[in-house]
Amino acid sequence: AQKVTQAQTEISVVEKEDVTLDCVYETRDTTYYLFWYKQPPSGELVFLIRRNSFDEQNEISGRYSWNFQKSTSSFNFTITASQVVDSAVYFCALSEARRGYQKVTFGTGTKLQVIP
Amino acid sequence: DAGVTQSPTHLIKTRGQQVTLRCSPKSGHDTVSWYQQALGQGPQFIFQYYEEEERQRGNFPDRFSGHQFPNYSSELNVNALLLGDSALYLCASSLVNRGREDTQYFGPGTRLTVL
Repeated sequence: AQKVTQAQTEISVVEKEDVTLDCVYETRDTTYYLFWYKQPPSGELVFLIRRNSFDEQNEISGRYSWNFQKSTSSFNFTITASQVVDSAVYFCALSEARRGYQKVTFGTGTKLQVIP
Repeated sequence: DAGVTQSPTHLIKTRGQQVTLRCSPKSGHDTVSWYQQALGQGPQFIFQYYEEEERQRGNFPDRFSGHQFPNYSSELNVNALLLGDSALYLCASSLVNRGREDTQYFGPGTRLTVL
């Protein structure tokens, strides 16, 4: 069975501060995908990143960076120099890749509030 | 390039009624998945359709059923509505490429309220 834990329920930071959102996962599969999605107040889930379990290389995209550590089953997300527009609920997710089809399991989300 | 669209945006029903939600996938996608998101929770997988067949199903009762049409659009039907069915219903589409499903992209959701 898959499980994703986002222990941080809510985080508040002041604009321009850096913030890290934690994600810990559990799976018995050796091949899986990890994701981060952003959900603004409008409700639509916005895809941010997908990471294959075989690729532990960290990734940076503008102010966003992701740290994947298989040894600790973690896939943490850092926003550098946060902005008010970053305020949203962020979900970490995991999917097994059996038979080529994904069955995505989401965490409970971390609500980020960036205060101007 | 049109993204995933869902209709209606909001819906109010009473207990015992039946509801149908609709989803059109992103252009070029052939797979549709449905999720239920209760307030303050993460999305929960309901089921997935590919080639007009249900391929995978989460832990949801048979009251939840679906359909995929030849144009890849999909419907989610819920019978005998319960108060606990009140939630945001999200549709996600993706493409199966060489037997492997690519990333799922989500629509804006349908907010269902059961009174």
